[in-house]
Amino acid sequence: GNSVTQMEGPVTLSEEAFLTINCTYTATGYPSLFWYVQYPGEGLQLLLKATKADDKGSNKGFEATYRKETTSFHLEKGSVQVSDSAVYFCALSVQAGTALIFGKGTTLSVSS
Amino acid sequence: DTEVTQTPKHLVMGMTNKKSLKCEQHMGHRAMYWYKQKAKKPPELMFVYSYEKLSINESVPSRFSPECPNSSLLNLHLHALQPEDSALYLCASSQDPWPNYGYTFGSGTRLTVV
Repeated sequence: GNSVTQMEGPVTLSEEAFLTINCTYTATGYPSLFWYVQYPGEGLQLLLKATKADDKGSNKGFEATYRKETTSFHLEKGSVQVSDSAVYFCALSVQAGTALIFGKGTTLSVSS
Repeated sequence: DTEVTQTPKHLVMGMTNKKSLKCEQHMGHRAMYWYKQKAKKPPELMFVYSYEKLSINESVPSRFSPECPNSSLLNLHLHALQPEDSALYLCASSQDPWPNYGYTFGSGTRLTVV
């Protein structure tokens, strides 16, 4: 079946550190891949996406590249800020008429 | 308007009450979704409406009843809930039933059943 696996959290970093959150997927066909972010007390926001292999999504200093050969979509940021503290969800969509499939989420905590 | 608006933001209800959650979007999106999210967990899909018709019901108990009166509105009617139904209820919409463009989520209704 289709699924998303994210690294276990929480991830705790100091401000300006480099961030990587790993995400791998299993899917039939050619999925689209997403990262969503959920700040405390809020709903989810689309952070970035990639719809085909080798596409790079980027937004607010975050980047992720769709790697078909390793079935991965790892999230990276060169220098995190305290305001990046949130829960990050990797997700995929496979085909029309089906809903997004989410990973379990990774909590990021950044301290100053 | 690029938002999904959910009301109320917080709701406390007794197990014998009837209440409704409301979701509204004016982006012309033709697919709308209800998700349930427990603390520190990913959202769990409940219902999908595609072009105002219910297309997916993820075996949700009948005490949850969705309704899509028009293409901009989505309701979730609640009746005889249990304490374990306490959660954050999220509404989302997408341009079409294939969420290739991503979802736009509302900020949710935090429901407490007492």
